[in-house]
Amino acid sequence: DAMVIQNPRYQVTQFGKPVTLSCSQTLNHNVMYWYQQKSSQAPKLLFHYYDKDFNNEADTPDNFQSRRPNTSFCFLDIRSPGLGDAAMYLCATSLGLDYEQYFGPGTRLTVT
Amino acid sequence: AQTVTQSQPEMSVQEAETVTLSCTYDTSESDYYLFWYKQPPSRQMILVIRQEAYKQQNATENRFSVNFQKAAKSFSLKISDSQLGDAAMYFCAYRILYGGATNKLIFGTGTLLAVQP
Repeated sequence: DAMVIQNPRYQVTQFGKPVTLSCSQTLNHNVMYWYQQKSSQAPKLLFHYYDKDFNNEADTPDNFQSRRPNTSFCFLDIRSPGLGDAAMYLCATSLGLDYEQYFGPGTRLTVT
Repeated sequence: AQTVTQSQPEMSVQEAETVTLSCTYDTSESDYYLFWYKQPPSRQMILVIRQEAYKQQNATENRFSVNFQKAAKSFSLKISDSQLGDAAMYFCAYRILYGGATNKLIFGTGTLLAVQP
């Protein structure tokens, strides 16, 4: 089945130690999104890629970066994780910007 | 700025009963989508139902239906014949109809639904 896959499902990192979260998709969608969902809060869009074009939300901290080496994969890099970055990170894809978004299961990040 | 408000952090329903989850939103746009997403524990978020603001008829998907009141900016979800598998966090979300690069889903804070056997 076509789907959105996130690895790992659970990630523990140390304060200040760079970490990378991975998302892959078999839907061949043009757009890939990264959301941050803190406990008991709404998911919040960090950025998205339309093909190779990167679009950062205005309030996304510089500590968060993303890479999309090809259509299928997109990575979220947190350069120096702080305790406040502990959250569920959701990847989503859509065929185009005005199309339905399909979500992956998320990666729960713990910062110690 | 657009906002989405879910005033019920938690709800509970007996199996086979009906429950209604509330959502209000604020926008100055006239054309937009509204969504209800379901996020089961440790599983991915899936779309339950979608409503286009220009459609007067309320959307229905099997046991799920909405009550869309555009003037009141209200968008509630009714789950009929509740099943144990309906237990999940439910998010109400909003998106401009054609927003292009600035388009994004704006979520409410969610309602955690428990289904009692």
